[in-house]
Amino acid sequence: QKEVEQNSGPLSVPEGAIASLNCTYSDRGSQSFFWYRQYSGKSPELIMFIYSNGDKEDGRFTAQLNKASQYVSLLIRDSQPSDSATYLCAVLTSYDKVIFGPGTSLSVIP
Amino acid sequence: ETGVTQTPRHLVMGMTNKKSLKCEQHLGHNAMYWYKQSAKKPLELMFVYSLEERVENNSVPSRFSPECPNSSHLFLHLHTLQPEDSALYLCASSQEVAPGVITYEQYFGPGTRLTVT
Repeated sequence: QKEVEQNSGPLSVPEGAIASLNCTYSDRGSQSFFWYRQYSGKSPELIMFIYSNGDKEDGRFTAQLNKASQYVSLLIRDSQPSDSATYLCAVLTSYDKVIFGPGTSLSVIP
Repeated sequence: ETGVTQTPRHLVMGMTNKKSLKCEQHLGHNAMYWYKQSAKKPLELMFVYSLEERVENNSVPSRFSPECPNSSHLFLHLHTLQPEDSALYLCASSQEVAPGVITYEQYFGPGTRLTVT
């Protein structure tokens, strides 16, 4: 089992819709979770982090964490074409290593 | 601009060359990282430095040699690389908030696109 898994996509959503990106992890003791956005040809950019169960909102972005089910998701409301990118999930494991998922490619269609 | 710069942005080198990648962060952070990003593969952590001491080396071949002379600068020295080492090499930094406690909220530089011929 891979330590951090994401659907590779591409995930296509129409402009204005909600994009839902999911990430599952294997280490039950993981404590911190991060979402990075990476535009094609660019480096990853931190957009959200979450430590506690529940939801965390920042503008159009909401991170949701469910430690019991070992998944973390990122919702993007009112999706814009400029949101088209690869979204990387990263997990700080209980053995103090940050593991990145393979990323989900999102395409927002005008 | 994230406050992390990397040079060069592109590098083509032969298998017998020696070159170095440079990273500089202007964020006042005290932890720095080297990552390798290959096509279709997740980001791979190579090295971690905290307070200028190497705290992690993820079984990276010895042809990659890191150096951290101070908390703002990080180098990756390259020698006798293989074609499979061609990738995007990313530097990142973060802040250690307490002894041994790194936030892991990392800020990445633009990367160096390395091609080994």
